[in-house]
Amino acid sequence: QSALTQPPSASGSPGQSVTISCTGTSSDVGAYNYVSWYQQHPGKVPKLMIYEVSKRPSGVPDRFSGSKSGNTASLTVSGLQADDEADYSCTSYAGSSWVFGGGTKLTVL
Amino acid sequence: EVQLVESGGGLVQPGGSLRLSCAASGFTFSDYSVNWVRQAPGKGLEWVSYIGGGGSTTTWYAESVKGRFSISRDNAQNSLFLQMNSLRAEDTAVYHCVRDVDYAFKDWGQGTLVTVSS
Repeated sequence: QSALTQPPSASGSPGQSVTISCTGTSSDVGAYNYVSWYQQHPGKVPKLMIYEVSKRPSGVPDRFSGSKSGNTASLTVSGLQADDEADYSCTSYAGSSWVFGGGTKLTVL
Repeated sequence: EVQLVESGGGLVQPGGSLRLSCAASGFTFSDYSVNWVRQAPGKGLEWVSYIGGGGSTTTWYAESVKGRFSISRDNAQNSLFLQMNSLRAEDTAVYHCVRDVDYAFKDWGQGTLVTVSS
């Protein structure tokens, strides 16, 4: 159950797009289409942004999109807004368990 | 509105025990699988344990807590529990009760803080 690998930080200017990667193995990200992404503002509870690799829950703007290739999943935030500044974490189902990434702090410059 | 409210956290000495509870409302609790997910201070999220719903008694545990923690549920009381034994300093974290839907952690409680320290 090793953690998924995410870059510790990412940044972009308002209106730009930024992509955050999440690298796992053939036992988790590569094996299942059950990758999800969470947004967490300081002191707040995580919020589900993407599930099953690329699906958005009701209420999540379509500026947020997800994809996967092999053992790496990605979250893209388009049209960056100030409120997008937060920590983003990925997780993958790994067969009788889940594994999280270490989180990426997204800064809107 | 889905609500998950945790309780039972606190300060405990290494080697001690603690039992966390989660009161669920706003959905048919028995139909859904639920989990405990924790976050150590300043650190990332870590999945801890799962218990099935819809009549399933399946339980899963992270390797880091296997043999020490036990998850259970009382569908009549719409409650989830986590019995934590042989606690270690590295178990210090906010513990969240989380409903999962489609293998994603959809609804989160605010969490309860567990501090393991002498």
